Amino acid sequence: DVKVTQSSRYLVKRTGEKVFLECVQDMDHENMFWYRQDPGLGLRLIYFSYDVKMKEKGDIPEGYSVSREKKERFSLILESASTNQTSMYLCASRGQGVYGYTFGSGTRLTVV
Amino acid sequence: QQQVKQSPQSLIVQKGGISIINCAYENTAFDYFPWYQQFPGKGPALLIAIRPDVSEKKEGRFTISFNKSAKQFSLHIMDSQPGDSATYFCAASMWGNQFYFGTGTSLTVIP
Repeated sequence: DVKVTQSSRYLVKRTGEKVFLECVQDMDHENMFWYRQDPGLGLRLIYFSYDVKMKEKGDIPEGYSVSREKKERFSLILESASTNQTSMYLCASRGQGVYGYTFGSGTRLTVV
Repeated sequence: QQQVKQSPQSLIVQKGGISIINCAYENTAFDYFPWYQQFPGKGPALLIAIRPDVSEKKEGRFTISFNKSAKQFSLHIMDSQPGDSATYFCAASMWGNQFYFGTGTSLTVIP
């Protein structure tokens, strides 16, 4: 089975800090995604990547950036964390020729 | 705007009953419609999916019904069990592109 691992389950950061959320997948998938999940809003796409060093903005990229230096790793960066970025962050991957996503277990980020 | 609209937001069903969750979409270019199941503290996991060339797909107690003309699809959980209590998300996508998710339905199955 594909495994998508998010490095932290819970994070508490202060307003203004630079925050790194890490995601690693072990099945050589080309496509990787970062979503945030908020009650009543579902999952909203922040950024995605189709290949190493490629990135595309999703629906809510403001305040975020990403990095994909290696195929298996996709990092989400909060340049200057704010309280409205308190959320559950989900990483997902998908291989070529595969329809479905595989999600990680999520990182619950609290910005205080 | 929301590409995929999901209802209800929450659902309580007796054990053994049928759970029904509905979704509607606007973009006729969507060609893949999955349902994801999420337990507390876990990421969503693919439950069942359908392509628009069929009207129904069944896997065990889970069935997707798809109405292309109405641009609607629904998840039916037959003989609902307490272990089915979870949040369910519908989604839609065009091949090779991002998924658009519904807002989720919290299902509680009462013993």
